[in-house]
Amino acid sequence: DGGITQSPKYLFRKEGQNVTLSCEQNLNHDAMYWYRQDPGQGLRLIYYSQIVNDFQKGDIAEGYSVSREKKESFPLTVTSAQKNPTAFYLCASSIGPERDWAPLHFGNGTRLTVT
Amino acid sequence: DQQVKQNSPSLSVQEGRISILNCDYTNSMFDYFLWYKKYPAEGPTFLISISSIKDKNEDGRFTVFLNKSAKHLSLHIVPSQPGDSAVYFCAAINTGTASKLTFGTGTRLQVTL
Repeated sequence: DGGITQSPKYLFRKEGQNVTLSCEQNLNHDAMYWYRQDPGQGLRLIYYSQIVNDFQKGDIAEGYSVSREKKESFPLTVTSAQKNPTAFYLCASSIGPERDWAPLHFGNGTRLTVT
Repeated sequence: DQQVKQNSPSLSVQEGRISILNCDYTNSMFDYFLWYKKYPAEGPTFLISISSIKDKNEDGRFTVFLNKSAKHLSLHIVPSQPGDSAVYFCAAINTGTASKLTFGTGTRLQVTL
């Protein structure tokens, strides 16, 4: 079955540590995205990539970094510079790169807790 | 600046009745709108969409209405079922630019027996 796999489902880290969230897709989609969901807020775009080896900052990129070395993979690193890293992180993909209105396919998310 | 607003954080509806979820937007350049449904601890799934050239789109129990002059869209679910209990997000985009989807804050729908 085609889909998006995010791992792990739950992640706990100490403050000051960098952590990398995994996102893999086998939908052959060009575009991939990282969103963050906080209680009472909509999904906010962190980074997106429309093609391999290229990515752009979203609305809340500070304290995060990404890479897109393979079409299937778009890992997100939450660095120690991110002030409020505890959140639910969602990875998504779409046919892209010019079809952003094509529905996004989401993974099941990673809940990161930093203490 | 919240360009897409869902002013009702929650809604409770009896099974079999109609659920109406509302969404308002401020950016008149948005020309495509989508609704996503999200269960706890899962990613959102696409539900239904509508282009600004239409004022209604229907898919089974789900209908989305768009009122461009009021910058308002609504999702109707008829009849509501317990499995519809979830958080619903509306999203909007200006397809003519390189902008990305803008999501609302979500409405939690509870369908009671």
